[in-house]
Amino acid sequence: QTVVTQEPSFSVSPGGTVTLTCGLSSGSVSASYYPSWYQQTPGQAPRPLIYRTNTRSSGVPDRFSGSILGNKAALTITGAQADDESDYYCVLYMSSGWVFGGGTKLTVL
Amino acid sequence: EVQVVESGGGLVQPGGSLRLSCAASGFTFSSYWMSWVRQAPGKGLEWVANINQDASEQDYVASVKGRFTISRDSAKNSLYLQMNSLRVEDTAVYYCAREMRFRTGPGGIRLYYYYMDVWGKGTTVTVSS
Repeated sequence: QTVVTQEPSFSVSPGGTVTLTCGLSSGSVSASYYPSWYQQTPGQAPRPLIYRTNTRSSGVPDRFSGSILGNKAALTITGAQADDESDYYCVLYMSSGWVFGGGTKLTVL
Repeated sequence: EVQVVESGGGLVQPGGSLRLSCAASGFTFSSYWMSWVRQAPGKGLEWVANINQDASEQDYVASVKGRFTISRDSAKNSLYLQMNSLRVEDTAVYYCAREMRFRTGPGGIRLYYYYMDVWGKGTTVTVSS
């Protein structure tokens, strides 16, 4: 069974930079899995941030960027703001269907 | 405005059934794969099922295979999820999502994306005795 791994939690200071990662329990994440990232605040639907590894969804500020770092997909927030405090999910498109990571709870303080 | 709106959630006893609906508007529904994604209370997102444009292909996460059936009616611009033999662990907010798989660019070249670009606000399913 494929497991997509994410850091359970992360903390960043306002104005700081943070990189969240998305890995596989077995193997490497590559662009061929079309990694995408979603932001979710409590009680709200997920909001698409990044798709196809590094393309920002419409209306997403350029402080959000996506990449492949080593064997993982990565979401970097540069110049974090208070309203970036959210849960962040990556999802990979795999032969078994869509597989979400467990999510990272980002605290901005 | 491009949107999807879920309905049909509620309280049901273990072993019971429920049918969720998702009404799509603002886009050509028949041109897109569609998915259901759920989120149990305090937990992360989990993809449940998807269906292709003409309903000839469906896929499911292992935990719901044989119990849930995804379907669509393009004449009504609607997506459905029939949930049978419900379990306590099926309790979740169920989201309907549009899959953006590719766009066709100049010269007919396909640019592949594979992400869920439109989400509804969700409908809550509670399985409890």
